[in-house]
Amino acid sequence: DIVMTQSPDSLAVSLGERATINCTSSQSVLYSSNNKNYLGWYQQKPGQPPKLLIYWASTRESGVPDRFSGSGSGTDFTLTISSLQAEDVAVYYCHQYYSLWTFGQGTKVEIK
Amino acid sequence: QITLKESGPTLVKPTQTLTLTCTFSGFSLSTSGVGVGWIRQPPGKALEWLALIYWDDDKRYSPSLKSRLTITKDTSKNQVVLTMTNMDPVDTATYYCAHRDPDPGCFDYWGQGTLVTVSS
Repeated sequence: DIVMTQSPDSLAVSLGERATINCTSSQSVLYSSNNKNYLGWYQQKPGQPPKLLIYWASTRESGVPDRFSGSGSGTDFTLTISSLQAEDVAVYYCHQYYSLWTFGQGTKVEIK
Repeated sequence: QITLKESGPTLVKPTQTLTLTCTFSGFSLSTSGVGVGWIRQPPGKALEWLALIYWDDDKRYSPSLKSRLTITKDTSKNQVVLTMTNMDPVDTATYYCAHRDPDPGCFDYWGQGTLVTVSS
């Protein structure tokens, strides 16, 4: 299994400030034949299913605000919320789909 | 638009077998590359992928749960069924089904989930 580890487990950020979440995979999720990282990010609000924000490590899903961005390659990835809004309070999960499918343990984002 | 909905029992007893049905619309499970997966989430905990079935009836299972899981599809009914044997209280969770888009290959549409409690 590819194990996904996120840090931190939770963070509190002031409105308008930057939030950064890290994700490390136990093995590379970069597929050499197409140079794509099989890494996605989800947002989950209480009582709701996860919502896909980003795939291929850095491609925003349609309709996702551009304050959300993803970066990284190989085994180390980052989700950045450039200017935190009240509606961004949620738990965020990284997710690999390189070999089967696994999720990180989640990072809870709150307002400071 | 793509929608998925999970259905099944809300309460099962320990050792019983759980059967969940995912009924979907807006896509065909006959389309090349498409899949439907099951993911669960214990209360207050993280997501855990369980199983996935592809358009060609190829199946994938979580290695840790493989011996307890079976996934099948009925393309004519637009349904996918997951069975999990020998249920235990630790299997209490919200169970989601989700659409796997062939590109990129992750889950882009999810059902609302169904909470299954395992208790005697």
